[in-house]
Amino acid sequence: NAGVTQTPKFQVLKTGQSMTLQCAQDMNHEYMSWYRQDPGMGLRLIHYSVGAGITDQGEVPNGYNVSRSTTEDFPLRLLSAAPSQTSVYFCASYGYGYTFGSGTRLTVV
Amino acid sequence: EDKVVQSPLSLVVHEGDTVTLNCSYEVTNFRSLLWYKQEKKAPTFLFMLTSSGIEKKSGRLSSILDKKELFSILNITATQTGDSAIYLCAVDPRFGLGNDMRFGAGTRLTVKP
Repeated sequence: NAGVTQTPKFQVLKTGQSMTLQCAQDMNHEYMSWYRQDPGMGLRLIHYSVGAGITDQGEVPNGYNVSRSTTEDFPLRLLSAAPSQTSVYFCASYGYGYTFGSGTRLTVV
Repeated sequence: EDKVVQSPLSLVVHEGDTVTLNCSYEVTNFRSLLWYKQEKKAPTFLFMLTSSGIEKKSGRLSSILDKKELFSILNITATQTGDSAIYLCAVDPRFGLGNDMRFGAGTRLTVKP
């Protein structure tokens, strides 16, 4: 099925560790984004991309890096994990409204 | 600063009830308002509204936008337990881009049998 594939579904990290959340879409959408969702705060934009080779910061970019080498892939890197990054992360691509990936529940201890 | 406010934050009803969820917004360069349903995992798209007074309808769900008063409502009639979810409202200030979209905190709806 067409859509957004996000991995892993769950992850536990120790403070200071790094990791990459993977995201791929097969809808040929130019626009892709990463959001984090915390209780009572809705979805907040971390980084977004308007096409291959072009990325920009969203509302809460600190501690995260992204790259967009192809239209399909948009990985999110946590450089040095902190407990404040414990959250649920969603990758999304934008066509007629957003299509979201299934989410990654990340816990930083 | 752009903001999207949803009310109520939480709502518990019984099957068969009708519910109205509210979304008010303050954004510059409004282009569209979107509603999403989030069950256990990812939000799924419900409606996109761009014009005032035109009701969008899908089964028991309907939504309408008032661009003068800056709000939208989502109605669910004859609720079922499968309607239990978080309902998210989002405002897109630049149609077709999506990168500046602002989400509300959501309304958690619980439908009891």
